Amino acid sequence: EAQVTQNPRYLITVTGKKLTVTCSQNMNHEYMSWYRQDPGLGLRQIYYSMNVEVTDKGDVPEGYKVSRKEKRNFPLILESPSPNQTSLYFCASSPGTGWDTEAFFGQGTRLTVV
Amino acid sequence: GENVEQHPSTLSVQEGDSAVIKCTYSDSASNYFPWYKQELGKGPQLIIDIRSNVGEKKDQRIAVTLNKTAKHFSLHITETQPEDSAVYFCAASMGSNYQLIWGAGTKLIIKP
Repeated sequence: EAQVTQNPRYLITVTGKKLTVTCSQNMNHEYMSWYRQDPGLGLRQIYYSMNVEVTDKGDVPEGYKVSRKEKRNFPLILESPSPNQTSLYFCASSPGTGWDTEAFFGQGTRLTVV
Repeated sequence: GENVEQHPSTLSVQEGDSAVIKCTYSDSASNYFPWYKQELGKGPQLIIDIRSNVGEKKDQRIAVTLNKTAKHFSLHITETQPEDSAVYFCAASMGSNYQLIWGAGTKLIIKP
């Protein structure tokens, strides 16, 4: 089954403790991205990647890191999480350039930083 | 700045009636406008999209219209059903990289 898999689905952590949210897609898509979803703000892009070893900042990249060493994986790293990073996070993948093709989203990761 | 405004934030309609959600965008160069549906506990899913060279597109009970002059586009759902209850997001491609900018979302409630 074609899908985007995020792990974990739920995570509670403490301020400053490094964490990684994994994302994997099995559709051979070139484009992958991370979003955060907050009430009243919709989806805001954190980082995106147009192919292996190519990453770029989205609208809200501060406090986050990403890497794209393999086509299928695009982990999101919070090196020193803070409470304002408490949010619902989504990974997505798309074929081609990503901006004018369907985005396939994972199930989401609800992160709470205390 | 680049932004997409979406209205209303909540829409409650009687089952069987029509629902309309509107979005306006700031960049006249935008050329791709998708609509996504997000059910509770799930990621958004594409339901329909339109490109700037087309004024209207339909898919069964769902339609999207685009007015490039006014820089707005709308989602129309006819004969609404309980399974239409969800949060709907519009988006528009913007900026030098044509990245998608998303609206804030509309919670659609279908009353039985």
